[in-house]
Amino acid sequence: DAKTTQPPSMDCAEGRAANLPCNHSTISGNEYVYWYRQIHSQGPQYIIHGLKNNETNEMASLIITEDRKSSTLILPHATLRDTAVYYCIVRVNSGYALNFGKGTSLLVTP
Amino acid sequence: ETGVTQSPTHLIKTRGQQVTLRCSSQSGHNTVSWYQQALGQGPQFIFQYYREEENGRGNFPPRFSGLQFPNYSSELNVNALELDDSALYLCASRPGGAVYYGYTFGSGTRLTVV
Repeated sequence: DAKTTQPPSMDCAEGRAANLPCNHSTISGNEYVYWYRQIHSQGPQYIIHGLKNNETNEMASLIITEDRKSSTLILPHATLRDTAVYYCIVRVNSGYALNFGKGTSLLVTP
Repeated sequence: ETGVTQSPTHLIKTRGQQVTLRCSSQSGHNTVSWYQQALGQGPQFIFQYYREEENGRGNFPPRFSGLQFPNYSSELNVNALELDDSALYLCASRPGGAVYYGYTFGSGTRLTVV
């Protein structure tokens, strides 16, 4: 699986958009980008995934660059409950392991 | 949907002992994975079961073993506990098939080895 690089921490004001970057310059053509988050004292929660097109669901949007070497997870209107560690994971869809890495700790402030 | 339920929530064991952790997967999910999360680290993949067969394993020694039952619930067994086995153990489940729905994680079992 391709390696990912994320900033260790970010801050965001409540109500503003949170943009979380992820670099995956060695991604292969058949590897997807997945995002999970882990709120303190809970298990990780699936957010969204994509291959090359931008994706949006009720939780977030995923923007993947044309060369697929990086992506951005966007939380359009961050709330205090979005404070969590966000993990960007790259792997093939048929893979069985999620390589979580260290993720980005997002702090949403009032 | 009932989600993923793990038991117990907390456990203290002595070095050298054996432990069994249990996971009840979400209804309709036939794939179960187990992860170990040390303090301050991301979860590390232990193994995965699909329809009662192990179909993937991470870099963990054989003293970490598992089972999946016909109702798709699962157990993680750890023998000869070491102090470094102290961690949060997470169970995750998802439906099988080609379409990716994302894993549903439980809240974990906090294991402390003393």
